[in-house]
Formats: sequence, C-alpha cells, structure tokens
Amino acid sequence: TQLLEQSPQFLSIQEGENLTVYCNSSSVFSSLQWYRQEPGEGPVLLVTVVTGGEVKKLKRLTFQFGDARKDSSLHITAAQPGDTGLYLCAGPRGYQLIWGAGTKLIIKP
Amino acid sequence: GAGVSQSPSNKVTEKGKDVELRCDPISGHTALYWYRQRLGQGLEFLIYFQGNSAPDKSGLPSDRFSAERTGESVSTLTIQRTQQEDSAVYLCASSLISAWGNIQYFGAGTRLSVL
Repeated sequence: TQLLEQSPQFLSIQEGENLTVYCNSSSVFSSLQWYRQEPGEGPVLLVTVVTGGEVKKLKRLTFQFGDARKDSSLHITAAQPGDTGLYLCAGPRGYQLIWGAGTKLIIKP
Repeated sequence: GAGVSQSPSNKVTEKGKDVELRCDPISGHTALYWYRQRLGQGLEFLIYFQGNSAPDKSGLPSDRFSAERTGESVSTLTIQRTQQEDSAVYLCASSLISAWGNIQYFGAGTRLSVL
C-alpha cells in the first residue's frame, strides 16, 4: 500500500507553461517534504511544509499543504528546462520518511 | 567532504558475484539510510542505522542483502550472489533527526548493473 500517492506519474510540457503536481494520502502527516532528483544524482530537499493550509514559495515554485495535512501540491509557473527532474514527496513516520513514487517532469525547450 | 559520498558510482558485475557498496555520511549525522531505486521509480527503503542502536533491517529484500555501519561513520551495503533483479541505483542518505524534522541528504548513488 502506497501511503503517499503522487500524480501524475509523468508530465511532459513545453517551456513557459504552468503545471501542478499532487501528493495525496489518506493519513495525516505532521509535515511533508518535497525533493527534486535530477538524472544521476540523489534527491535534494526543496521545501518542508508543516502547518495545515501553509503556502511556501520558492521562486517560480509554490508549495501548498492541505488544511487537513493529508495532501500537498507543487505548482510551477512558467516552467523552464532546468525544472526537469523527478519530484518526490515524503512524510515522516517515526524515524523514517515515507516516500511517494514521484512525478517525472520533462520541460521541453 | 561536505556531502554524502558513495562509491563506486557505477558497478557492473556478473550474476552470482558479490558486491560491496560504500557510503560516507555527513560528519555528525547520526542517522543513515540505504534505499534502492529502480529505473523511473521512487525510493524503496532497505535499512536504517541510528547511532549505536540495532539497525532496522525491515526493508532488506532477501538474506543476500546485508549492511554494516561502524559507529556514526562509514556504512557498507553488501549484496551476495547478485541476481539480475538487483540491478538498480542504490542511494545512501544521512540525517540529523531533530525537533525540526528529518531532512535527508543523499549521495549520488551507486548504479549497479548485474549482467
């Protein structure tokens, strides 16, 4: 059972378009993290959202944590080829992180 | 170095051989995780070390997989009698778990190919 469901699994769009990817769960998490993984590298933390309803912005990336702390979304405005990568969400369970399967994002120039 | 270091970066082996993968965590990080990532997939938890506590081995897929860590330093993941289905990227992450949460810092991984 995948505790964190990410959608879509794959997204390929043109440079300049906007997009939103989702991370959903039936369970409550105290926080959720978003990581980006580029080819040949390990995942790198982008942001942690902690408070229900919280919105965090990182340049063109906007992260939102659902009011019930069961879901999160990542919105990218005016996507750039440098945004290409695998986007993973993760939530804490004790000393572990529960990982979603990721959204593979390709931005075409 | 400042980050998590893994070696080798690539390993090609023949079916049935043993392989050893190495991870140097960030100095001072008490927690260390090994994950497996198949092509285009998410992260599959393998094993967790925290200080001198007994490791959580619940994610190891078979008894061919084992890992060791000496104190809060280097860890090695050993796969015995490799099979083709072991082909994947093996990622190591270290973390300093605190009241602020569990932020994991990853190495670049070892890409294992079993022929």
